[in-house]
Amino acid sequence: QKEVEQDPGPLSVPEGAIVSLNCTYSNSAFQYFMWYRQYSRKGPELLMYTYSSGNKEDGRFTAQVDKSSKYISLFIRDSQPSDSATYLCAMILLSGSARQLTFGSGTQLTVLP
Amino acid sequence: KAGVTQTPRYLIKTRGQQVTLSCSPISGHRSVSWYQQTPGQGLQFLFEYFSETQRNKGNFPGRFSGRQFSNSRSEMNVSTLELGDSALYLCASSLRETSGRDNEQFFGPGTRLTVL
Repeated sequence: QKEVEQDPGPLSVPEGAIVSLNCTYSNSAFQYFMWYRQYSRKGPELLMYTYSSGNKEDGRFTAQVDKSSKYISLFIRDSQPSDSATYLCAMILLSGSARQLTFGSGTQLTVLP
Repeated sequence: KAGVTQTPRYLIKTRGQQVTLSCSPISGHRSVSWYQQTPGQGLQFLFEYFSETQRNKGNFPGRFSGRQFSNSRSEMNVSTLELGDSALYLCASSLRETSGRDNEQFFGPGTRLTVL
């Protein structure tokens, strides 16, 4: 079993829809949670960063973390065709001086105009 | 502020050769991490360097190595290339001074390596 499982998609929605992207994790030692967006043939771009349970909002994006259920989500409101990309959840585990970022496999999202 | 830069952007090599990839972090960032991205395995952690010291290493063979210079620039080397090494190699930098937001990692555009 992978440490981080992400709904694989692909996901196709009409413009204006609310999108929900989800990841579960098995290691309760993960301390920081991120969502990245990756356009084709580009590096991942950091969208959201959080470390506590609850919701964090930034514009049309809301990141939700539930540490008790080991579950994180990213919601995109009023989705736009420019949101079409692969979304990756990522988590950081700190151990002494070592730090490792573990990614989900990514969800490919297409927003249709 | 300039972002993370990686050179070269594209590289074609043949089996058995070796390759060196370069990464320049965001100014002021002292941590550089390397990742391999493939369609089958996704993004996998290779190693992290901080203050010229390797702090953590992923589950990759010894053919993959790296180093960091005093100006925080980093290089990654792959020796005796195999077909399966074809991938997008990504570098990410962060402040990593303490905890919290210093752990945010910012990625470069990657180097796409093709092994023939």
